[in-house]
This record gives sequence, structure tokens and C-alpha cells, in this order.
Amino acid sequence: AQSVTQLGSHVSVSEGALVLLRCNYSSSVPPYLFWYVQYPNQGLQLLLKYTSAATLVKGINGFEAEFKKSETSFHLTKPSAHMSDAAEYFCAVSAYSGGGADGLTFGKGTHLIIQP
Amino acid sequence: DAMVIQNPRYQVTQFGKPVTLSCSQTLNHNVMYWYQQKSSQAPKLLFHYYDKDFNNEADTPDNFQSRRPNTSFCFLDIRSPGLGDAAMYLCATIPGGSGQPQHFGDGTRLSIL
Repeated sequence: AQSVTQLGSHVSVSEGALVLLRCNYSSSVPPYLFWYVQYPNQGLQLLLKYTSAATLVKGINGFEAEFKKSETSFHLTKPSAHMSDAAEYFCAVSAYSGGGADGLTFGKGTHLIIQP
Repeated sequence: DAMVIQNPRYQVTQFGKPVTLSCSQTLNHNVMYWYQQKSSQAPKLLFHYYDKDFNNEADTPDNFQSRRPNTSFCFLDIRSPGLGDAAMYLCATIPGGSGQPQHFGDGTRLSIL
């Protein structure tokens, strides 16, 4: 079984400041890790994914995340926040089960607030 | 553009009145998922289809059913909606295989009167 913990249900940063959203995972097998963004009344859009290649993963909109096995973490960062980054961010994990259709287990989400 | 389309975007039904939500995809993906997302919560997997094989999550209520008549379409049926079933319902797809990111539709927001 796997689980995801996102620290901080709300994170507020100033426009232009560093964004750091924290995610820790638990998995009994090597995980696949994802960050998704959700804007109000919309579905989830993939930001980036870790699937056992490079530990530093670059995604869309200037976001990146680093997989640290020793810390069981996959924190999301962006050097400079933009107003359009205000949204809900979900960290998610799936684990290989052999069935080829692993569902995602999501963290509770972090609401990112950008202050002008 | 190839995509996952959910209809309708907003659905209102009465307590106990059966309702069906629709998902279609032009990606020709083998796997289709249904998630339930209640207000200010994370999406929760209800079930998925791998081709015609149906896989139900252990804690999905019996009130929720699904049909997949062909590769492109998948339906979520709620037989007797209760007030607690008010939520956003999200459909997602993958080609099939581990570690693939899921492609989500924009969801259907279900309200129960």
C-alpha cells in the first residue's frame, strides 16, 4: 500500500518569490510519483512525473521536483512565482502492481496563494 | 485535440433518483478510471476498466456502478444518490502499463437536491 503526505494545506508566497510545496510518500515498492495542478472547477493537469529515471524532474510552467529516496520526499519547487500559479496542487503516487493500470493515491492537496 | 471529455459539466439530481455521468476519450487508451473528489479533498479512486476488465476498489459503495460499452466511452451510474454523493467526479485514462501519467477530463460536478 502507498500513501502521500503533503505538508501545509495552504501556502502563501509573494509574486516573484520561491515556491516550495512539500510531499512525502510511503510505498512498499519503488514508486512512481506525480504532481498535478487543479484550477477551480477543472480537472487535474500533469505538472511532472518521476518514473525512476533522473531524480531531478523538470515539468511545465517552470516547475521542477527532486526525488530523494533517503527522505522519501518529492518536493515541488518553482524559482519565481507568478500570479497564474495560484491553484490547488496534488502530489500522487502509484506503485507497480503487475496489472498495468495502477490507480493514483493522492495527497490532500496544497492550496497555493500568490500575493501581489 | 485528443482529449478526455466529460458530460455534463454540471449535473443536478434528486435524492434517490438514479443518475449517469458520461466520459469519452479520443486517445484510444486502454484504461479508464473514475475518481470522486469531495469539496476541498483529494480525488479518491472508485474503480477502473482495463479494456473490458472491471476493477472495483474495495471501499467503493455498491451504489456506484460503471459500464464501458466500447473503448471510447465509460459511464458512472449512481443508483440511489444520497446527499453524501455530492462531489466532483473525474474521469481519467492511460494507455496501459505502469508509471504512466493519467489524462483527466474537466469533471462533472454533481449536486443532490
